[in-house]
Amino acid sequence: QKEVEQDPGPLSVPEGAIVSLNCTYSNSAFQYFMWYRQYSRKGPELLMYTYSSGNKEDGRFTAQVDKSSKYISLFIRDSQPSDSATYLCAMTSSGSARQLTFGSGTQLTVLP
Amino acid sequence: GAVVSQHPSRVICKSGTSVKIECRSLDFQATTMFWYRQFPKQSLMLMATSNEGSKATYEQGVEKDKFLINHASLTLSTLTVTSAHPEDSSFYICSVGTGDYGYTFGSGTRLTVV
Repeated sequence: QKEVEQDPGPLSVPEGAIVSLNCTYSNSAFQYFMWYRQYSRKGPELLMYTYSSGNKEDGRFTAQVDKSSKYISLFIRDSQPSDSATYLCAMTSSGSARQLTFGSGTQLTVLP
Repeated sequence: GAVVSQHPSRVICKSGTSVKIECRSLDFQATTMFWYRQFPKQSLMLMATSNEGSKATYEQGVEKDKFLINHASLTLSTLTVTSAHPEDSSFYICSVGTGDYGYTFGSGTRLTVV
């Protein structure tokens, strides 16, 4: 079993839809949770980060972490064609070696 | 966050040759950098942690002699793929960690070995 499981997709939605992306994890030591967006043939860029449990909102994006269920989500409101990309969840535990464990990524296409 | 420059963005080399990929942290002194490998439609797999002034720490299954990492300064880490073979063709990405959540990635290098 992988440490981080992510819905594989691909996911295709019409413009304006609400998108829900999810990851589950098994390592209870994870404390920091991130969502990255990766366009084709580019490096990932950080979208959202959350420490421990809770919600965080930034514009059209909302990140949720439920540590009791070991489940994290990213919601995208009013999705746009420019949101079409692969979304990767990532997480890390506290410690001196800051290494990220990534989900496998969900490919999202927002149709105009 | 940091600004990370990775070069080259794309390289094609002949089988048996070596290729060097550079990762520069332009505005942050990075004692640690990370090198990842990504196959098509798959996630990033950590290859090694590059430590300034000391040896890199490699993940299990990664050949140290094939993937040479040098981190001679706080702003530059290099990954050299030695005696490259077609199976080494992949997307290589570096990152700089600036805190608990401050990871900035380079734009990646697509290596094709023919």
